[in-house]
Amino acid sequence: DAGVIQSPRHEVTEMGQEVTLRCKPISGHDYLFWYRQTMMRGLELLIYFNNNVPIDDSGMPEDRFSAKMPNASFSTLKIQPSEPRDSAVYFCASSLVAGGNSPLHFGNGTRLTVT
Amino acid sequence: GDSVTQMEGPVTLSEEAFLTINCTYTATGYPSLFWYVQYPGEGLQLLLKATKADDKGSNKGFEATYRKETTSFHLEKGSVQVSDSAVYFCALLKGGYNKLIFGAGTRLAVHP
Repeated sequence: DAGVIQSPRHEVTEMGQEVTLRCKPISGHDYLFWYRQTMMRGLELLIYFNNNVPIDDSGMPEDRFSAKMPNASFSTLKIQPSEPRDSAVYFCASSLVAGGNSPLHFGNGTRLTVT
Repeated sequence: GDSVTQMEGPVTLSEEAFLTINCTYTATGYPSLFWYVQYPGEGLQLLLKATKADDKGSNKGFEATYRKETTSFHLEKGSVQVSDSAVYFCALLKGGYNKLIFGAGTRLAVHP
């Protein structure tokens, strides 16, 4: 099992540009989560999907952020336009079932720097 | 609202020292409690969990006991190794919900 795969590992872009982060969850996992990690705010849940359907996007900071899951093996998080305060490490995670019965499996993250 | 509070780091220890990282939580009902570990450059990995009061989770020499009376889930290890250097996150999950609530994380540095 290759685990959760995220790309790119690092992204450096200029303010105002569009950024797309990609995630491939573990095959068979029904839940997919996007988290953001910063020194100031720690780990924040942005959005999660169940069976490709967005369930809770209350953590998405503003309309510049959008996430999609067109099929069970792929999800994207897009920021348009990007701003310096979006600089963070973005993690994708997946789990087999809901609740505490199945652990979250995290990818290695995408480190985003917006200049 | 529900929250998790961890002791501030960094925690710096010598190899073979005893480790305690404090974690307390605020939540209604009976949440499940977790410890996740993040090694440099990687995502978080589940270390251990406990789903009800007085349960003890354990893995790789680490232990934590779910104490409802003190709303705590402190992480302990009897003898740390340099390879345990990482950031440790305490988290809770309320029953019927799918959103883990993480603490701020505690960085552990173990020196030879």
